[in-house]
Amino acid sequence: DVVMTQSPLSLPVTLGQPASISCRSSQSLVFSDGNTYLTWFQQRPGQSPRRLIYEVSNRDSGVPDRFSGSGSGTDFTLKISRVEAEDVGIYYCMQGTHWPNTFGQGTKLEIK
Amino acid sequence: EVQLVESGGGLVQPGGSLRLSCAASGFTFSDHYMDWVRQAPGKGLELIGRITNKAYSYTTHYAASVKGRFTVSRDDSKSSLFLQMNSLKSEDTAVYYCADVGRGYWGQGTLVMVSS
Repeated sequence: DVVMTQSPLSLPVTLGQPASISCRSSQSLVFSDGNTYLTWFQQRPGQSPRRLIYEVSNRDSGVPDRFSGSGSGTDFTLKISRVEAEDVGIYYCMQGTHWPNTFGQGTKLEIK
Repeated sequence: EVQLVESGGGLVQPGGSLRLSCAASGFTFSDHYMDWVRQAPGKGLELIGRITNKAYSYTTHYAASVKGRFTVSRDDSKSSLFLQMNSLKSEDTAVYYCADVGRGYWGQGTLVMVSS
């Protein structure tokens, strides 16, 4: 299985400051169709996961533009330009290129 | 509005069986691949099963952790997804989500507890 490794696992951030989460895969996530199926999810406390970013850098409808995704191949990043209180939760990357699709361990974002 | 509503969770003894259901609405269910994802208490996410659509012959795929014990099925006429879980173990205790991970649709989850 493709191993997804996130860092850091814990991310204390001051309100209004930027935050960055790294996600690395054990294999290239470029699919045979040329697309890269790397997705970012946010899970707020007590809620189901919510998709934020798909195919590395495409923001879902309703997701604030302070969230952005980047990367290629095996190395990906989720950035929050200015953290707000509602951003508290656990962030997961997931690869959808290889079966089984696999998730990172999760990064817990908290307000410092 | 897309809705996925799971049901059927509960307490079951080790070795027992349980069948989860998921009622879908707000999208053309029959066109979509559908997934089951689980989350053990305080742990991360694990995609355990997927079923393709009719165009791809309703092919199923399973994670190694559940292969041979769990079965994913669907009824497109009722926009419903199912997960038959047999030979349950304590490590199967989790919240089970019905999802279309590829399109970002998730249900609210149903809790399965395997304990004597």
